[in-house]
Amino acid sequence: DAGITQSPRHKVTETGTPVTLRCHQTENHRYMYWYRQDPGHGLRLIHYSYGVKDTDKGEVSDGYSVSRSKTEDFLLTLESATSSQTSVYFCAISGELVSMNTEAFFGQGTRLTVV
Amino acid sequence: AQSVAQPEDQVNVAEGNPLTVKCTYSVSGNPYLFWYVQYPNRGLQFLLKYITGDNLVKGSYGFEAEFNKSQTSFHLKKPSALVSDSALYFCAVRDPRWGFGNVLHCGSGTQVIVLP
Repeated sequence: DAGITQSPRHKVTETGTPVTLRCHQTENHRYMYWYRQDPGHGLRLIHYSYGVKDTDKGEVSDGYSVSRSKTEDFLLTLESATSSQTSVYFCAISGELVSMNTEAFFGQGTRLTVV
Repeated sequence: AQSVAQPEDQVNVAEGNPLTVKCTYSVSGNPYLFWYVQYPNRGLQFLLKYITGDNLVKGSYGFEAEFNKSQTSFHLKKPSALVSDSALYFCAVRDPRWGFGNVLHCGSGTQVIVLP
Protein backbone atom coordinates (compact mmCIF):
# COMPACT_ATOMS: atom_id res chain seq x y z
CA ASP A 1 0.00 0.00 0.00
CA ALA A 2 1.09 3.53 -0.72
CA GLY A 3 2.21 5.46 2.35
CA ILE A 4 -0.93 7.42 3.13
CA THR A 5 -2.35 7.71 6.62
CA GLN A 6 -5.60 9.41 7.50
CA SER A 7 -6.53 10.41 11.00
CA PRO A 8 -8.82 9.97 12.73
CA ARG A 9 -10.42 6.93 11.11
CA HIS A 10 -13.74 7.57 12.80
CA LYS A 11 -15.20 10.67 14.37
CA VAL A 12 -18.53 11.75 15.77
CA THR A 13 -19.00 15.46 16.28
CA GLU A 14 -21.77 17.89 17.06
CA THR A 15 -23.34 20.33 14.64
CA GLY A 16 -21.58 23.67 14.65
CA THR A 17 -18.20 22.45 15.89
CA PRO A 18 -15.01 22.71 13.83
CA VAL A 19 -13.38 19.46 12.76
CA THR A 20 -9.97 18.84 11.22
CA LEU A 21 -9.01 15.71 9.32
CA ARG A 22 -5.39 14.93 8.62
CA CYS A 23 -3.76 13.23 5.68
CA HIS A 24 -0.10 12.27 5.91
CA GLN A 25 1.97 10.80 3.06
CA THR A 26 5.45 9.34 2.94
CA GLU A 27 5.69 9.17 -0.87
CA ASN A 28 6.82 12.75 -1.44
CA HIS A 29 4.11 13.17 -4.08
CA ARG A 30 3.32 16.67 -5.24
CA TYR A 31 -0.43 16.35 -5.57
CA MET A 32 -2.85 15.66 -2.74
CA TYR A 33 -6.64 15.54 -2.80
CA TRP A 34 -9.60 15.40 -0.49
CA TYR A 35 -12.76 13.65 -1.67
CA ARG A 36 -15.99 12.75 -0.02
CA GLN A 37 -17.85 9.55 -0.78
CA ASP A 38 -21.61 9.34 -0.48
CA PRO A 39 -23.93 6.56 -1.65
CA GLY A 40 -24.81 6.91 -5.32
CA HIS A 41 -22.33 9.73 -5.90
CA GLY A 42 -18.99 7.98 -6.20
CA LEU A 43 -16.25 10.40 -5.21
CA ARG A 44 -16.58 14.16 -5.25
CA LEU A 45 -13.58 16.46 -5.07
CA ILE A 46 -13.55 18.88 -2.14
CA HIS A 47 -10.12 20.48 -2.49
CA TYR A 48 -6.81 19.61 -3.94
CA SER A 49 -3.20 20.74 -3.57
CA TYR A 50 -0.51 21.02 -6.20
CA GLY A 51 2.29 21.95 -3.81
CA VAL A 52 3.13 23.42 -0.44
CA LYS A 53 0.71 26.28 0.23
CA ASP A 54 -0.82 25.77 -3.24
CA THR A 55 -4.43 24.65 -3.07
CA ASP A 56 -7.57 24.95 -5.14
CA LYS A 57 -11.27 24.37 -4.64
CA GLY A 58 -13.03 21.34 -5.99
CA GLU A 59 -16.66 20.87 -6.92
CA VAL A 60 -18.04 20.61 -3.35
CA SER A 61 -15.81 22.99 -1.41
CA ASP A 62 -18.42 25.04 0.44
CA GLY A 63 -18.00 24.69 4.20
CA TYR A 64 -14.51 23.23 3.88
CA SER A 65 -11.03 24.70 4.00
CA VAL A 66 -7.61 23.12 3.59
CA SER A 67 -4.01 23.79 4.39
CA ARG A 68 -0.74 22.32 3.26
CA SER A 69 2.26 23.67 5.13
CA LYS A 70 4.48 20.66 4.38
CA THR A 71 4.71 18.30 1.43
CA GLU A 72 3.61 15.37 3.54
CA ASP A 73 0.56 16.83 5.28
CA PHE A 74 -2.77 18.00 3.89
CA LEU A 75 -5.40 19.08 6.40
CA LEU A 76 -9.12 19.35 5.76
CA THR A 77 -11.17 21.55 8.11
CA LEU A 78 -14.90 21.68 8.43
CA GLU A 79 -15.33 25.16 9.75
CA SER A 80 -18.72 24.55 11.36
CA ALA A 81 -19.88 20.99 10.87
CA THR A 82 -23.37 20.32 9.54
CA SER A 83 -25.32 17.10 9.20
CA SER A 84 -24.92 17.27 5.41
CA GLN A 85 -21.19 16.79 5.95
CA THR A 86 -21.73 13.35 7.40
CA SER A 87 -19.77 11.26 4.95
CA VAL A 88 -16.69 9.18 4.35
CA TYR A 89 -13.69 11.33 3.50
CA PHE A 90 -10.80 10.05 1.43
CA CYS A 91 -7.40 11.57 0.91
CA ALA A 92 -5.48 10.70 -2.25
CA ILE A 93 -2.04 11.43 -3.65
CA SER A 94 -0.51 11.31 -7.08
CA GLY A 95 2.79 12.03 -8.76
CA GLU A 96 3.71 14.10 -11.80
CA LEU A 97 1.43 13.60 -14.77
CA VAL A 98 4.37 13.62 -17.18
CA SER A 99 5.56 10.38 -15.65
CA MET A 100 3.80 7.14 -16.44
CA ASN A 101 2.98 6.65 -12.77
CA THR A 102 -0.20 8.65 -13.03
CA GLU A 103 -2.50 6.66 -10.82
CA ALA A 104 -3.83 8.15 -7.62
CA PHE A 105 -3.44 6.28 -4.34
CA PHE A 106 -6.03 6.52 -1.61
CA GLY A 107 -5.98 6.49 2.14
CA GLN A 108 -8.27 4.22 4.11
CA GLY A 109 -10.84 6.91 4.75
CA THR A 110 -12.33 8.79 7.68
CA ARG A 111 -15.92 8.14 8.60
CA LEU A 112 -17.36 11.38 9.97
CA THR A 113 -20.75 11.60 11.62
CA VAL A 114 -22.22 14.98 12.49
CA VAL A 115 -25.03 14.75 15.05
CA ALA B 1 -18.18 18.08 -19.26
CA GLN B 2 -16.51 14.99 -17.89
CA SER B 3 -18.69 12.06 -16.98
CA VAL B 4 -18.42 8.39 -16.20
CA ALA B 5 -21.35 6.01 -16.36
CA GLN B 6 -21.50 2.62 -14.75
CA PRO B 7 -24.90 1.40 -15.90
CA GLU B 8 -25.18 -1.50 -13.47
CA ASP B 9 -25.52 -0.88 -9.74
CA GLN B 10 -24.88 -4.56 -9.08
CA VAL B 11 -23.49 -7.52 -10.98
CA ASN B 12 -24.00 -11.07 -9.77
CA VAL B 13 -21.84 -13.86 -11.15
CA ALA B 14 -21.12 -17.44 -10.19
CA GLU B 15 -17.61 -18.30 -9.10
CA GLY B 16 -15.56 -19.49 -12.04
CA ASN B 17 -17.65 -17.62 -14.58
CA PRO B 18 -16.41 -14.59 -16.50
CA LEU B 19 -16.99 -11.21 -14.90
CA THR B 20 -17.64 -7.99 -16.79
CA VAL B 21 -18.22 -4.56 -15.24
CA LYS B 22 -19.27 -1.91 -17.71
CA CYS B 23 -18.08 1.67 -17.96
CA THR B 24 -18.57 4.42 -20.50
CA TYR B 25 -17.01 7.85 -20.32
CA SER B 26 -17.06 11.34 -21.72
CA VAL B 27 -14.04 13.61 -21.46
CA SER B 28 -12.41 16.38 -23.42
CA GLY B 29 -9.08 15.45 -24.92
CA ASN B 30 -7.34 12.11 -24.58
CA PRO B 31 -8.77 9.99 -21.81
CA TYR B 32 -6.78 8.73 -18.85
CA LEU B 33 -8.91 5.87 -17.53
CA PHE B 34 -8.70 3.89 -14.30
CA TRP B 35 -10.37 1.11 -12.42
CA TYR B 36 -10.39 0.91 -8.65
CA VAL B 37 -11.78 -1.65 -6.23
CA GLN B 38 -13.08 -0.90 -2.75
CA TYR B 39 -13.52 -3.51 -0.04
CA PRO B 40 -15.72 -2.74 3.00
CA ASN B 41 -14.27 -0.07 5.29
CA ARG B 42 -11.23 0.34 3.06
CA GLY B 43 -9.95 2.92 0.64
CA LEU B 44 -9.94 2.54 -3.10
CA GLN B 45 -7.27 0.24 -4.45
CA PHE B 46 -5.84 0.77 -7.91
CA LEU B 47 -6.44 -2.09 -10.36
CA LEU B 48 -5.35 -0.84 -13.77
CA LYS B 49 -5.14 2.13 -16.08
CA TYR B 50 -5.23 3.11 -19.71
CA ILE B 51 -3.10 6.07 -20.75
CA THR B 52 -1.98 5.17 -24.25
CA GLY B 53 -0.90 2.16 -26.24
CA ASP B 54 -2.58 -1.24 -26.42
CA ASN B 55 -6.32 -1.17 -26.02
CA LEU B 56 -6.24 -4.24 -23.79
CA VAL B 57 -4.80 -3.38 -20.41
CA LYS B 58 -3.83 -5.98 -17.83
CA GLY B 59 -3.87 -5.18 -14.14
CA SER B 60 -3.80 -6.62 -10.67
CA TYR B 61 -5.49 -9.84 -9.47
CA GLY B 62 -6.12 -11.14 -13.01
CA PHE B 63 -8.25 -8.20 -14.09
CA GLU B 64 -8.06 -6.63 -17.51
CA ALA B 65 -9.91 -3.87 -19.30
CA GLU B 66 -10.52 -3.03 -22.92
CA PHE B 67 -10.39 0.54 -24.12
CA ASN B 68 -12.76 1.19 -27.03
CA LYS B 69 -12.44 4.69 -28.37
CA SER B 70 -15.32 4.53 -30.83
CA GLN B 71 -17.72 3.33 -28.15
CA THR B 72 -16.09 5.47 -25.42
CA SER B 73 -16.04 2.43 -23.18
CA PHE B 74 -13.58 0.90 -20.74
CA HIS B 75 -15.12 -2.33 -19.50
CA LEU B 76 -13.43 -4.31 -16.74
CA LYS B 77 -13.15 -8.06 -17.20
CA LYS B 78 -11.93 -11.14 -15.43
CA PRO B 79 -12.03 -14.53 -17.13
CA SER B 80 -12.83 -16.52 -13.98
CA ALA B 81 -14.32 -14.75 -10.97
CA LEU B 82 -13.48 -15.61 -7.37
CA VAL B 83 -15.63 -15.15 -4.29
CA SER B 84 -12.91 -12.82 -3.01
CA ASP B 85 -13.59 -10.50 -5.99
CA SER B 86 -16.83 -9.45 -4.33
CA ALA B 87 -16.42 -5.72 -3.78
CA LEU B 88 -17.38 -2.29 -5.07
CA TYR B 89 -15.75 -1.31 -8.35
CA PHE B 90 -15.25 2.22 -9.59
CA CYS B 91 -14.40 3.41 -13.06
CA ALA B 92 -12.68 6.79 -13.18
CA VAL B 93 -11.40 9.26 -15.72
CA ARG B 94 -8.87 11.98 -15.16
CA ASP B 95 -10.60 15.32 -15.09
CA PRO B 96 -8.46 17.78 -17.07
CA ARG B 97 -10.08 20.86 -15.56
CA TRP B 98 -7.65 20.89 -12.63
CA GLY B 99 -4.25 21.42 -14.17
CA PHE B 100 -1.57 18.78 -14.20
CA GLY B 101 -2.68 16.69 -11.30
CA ASN B 102 -4.79 13.58 -11.47
CA VAL B 103 -8.17 14.67 -10.17
CA LEU B 104 -10.52 11.78 -10.80
CA HIS B 105 -14.10 11.88 -11.93
CA CYS B 106 -15.64 8.59 -10.82
CA GLY B 107 -18.68 6.60 -11.69
CA SER B 108 -21.16 5.77 -8.97
CA GLY B 109 -19.75 2.29 -8.56
CA THR B 110 -20.84 -1.27 -9.33
CA GLN B 111 -21.25 -3.79 -6.55
CA VAL B 112 -19.95 -7.17 -7.67
CA ILE B 113 -21.23 -10.23 -5.89
CA VAL B 114 -19.57 -13.52 -6.73
CA LEU B 115 -21.64 -16.47 -5.63
CA PRO B 116 -19.93 -19.69 -4.50
